[in-house]
Amino acid sequence: GVTQSPTHLIKTRGQQVTLRCSSQSGHNTVSWYQQALGQGPQFIFQYYREEENGRGNFPPRFSGLQFPNDSSELNVNALELDDSALYLCASSFITGGGEQFFGPGTRLTVL
Amino acid sequence: GENVEQHPSTLSVQEGDSAVIKCTYSDSASNYFPWYKQELGKRPQLIIDIRSNVGEKKDQRIAVTLNKTAKHFSLHITETQPEDSAVYFCAASNAGNMLTFGGGTRLMVKP
Repeated sequence: GVTQSPTHLIKTRGQQVTLRCSSQSGHNTVSWYQQALGQGPQFIFQYYREEENGRGNFPPRFSGLQFPNDSSELNVNALELDDSALYLCASSFITGGGEQFFGPGTRLTVL
Repeated sequence: GENVEQHPSTLSVQEGDSAVIKCTYSDSASNYFPWYKQELGKRPQLIIDIRSNVGEKKDQRIAVTLNKTAKHFSLHITETQPEDSAVYFCAASNAGNMLTFGGGTRLMVKP
């Protein structure tokens, strides 16, 4: 299945953070979502074959990487208090609409 | 971009009753409509999905209907049980497989 690390993370405003995701074996697409408390997940961006394939309404300080070994990263620079959220990655096949398999998420708290 | 509205935000039913959650979407290019169940502190779990070439799909006590003309889709849960209590999210995506989520419905099933 899809795994994420770390489970929880506490940072202070202005710092940088890297979150990691391991996709389900064989999946070629990874998407990242931000879920604020009490809200639905918001699409951040998607990576396909190590290239950014689409992006939601998030600033450039949110960036990502996808590696050939089914792993990926979400990097956030210059953390703001509003970045506190559950960050979810989801892997899938880019087949034109299909099931995405979510990881357990990383809970980020920015103080 | 796509916009998904979900109603109601909270729903309380008696055990054994039916529950209906409704969503509307804005992008006529959307062709995949999943429903996720999320328990507190857990990852979203896919419970049922439907594609735009199908009007209805059923899986035991859960069914989803899609009206492409009106751009709305609904989740129906029959014979509700206390373990159905959770937050439910609808979502929509186009060929790019990037999900736009609704705001969520907190379902409470009272024994």
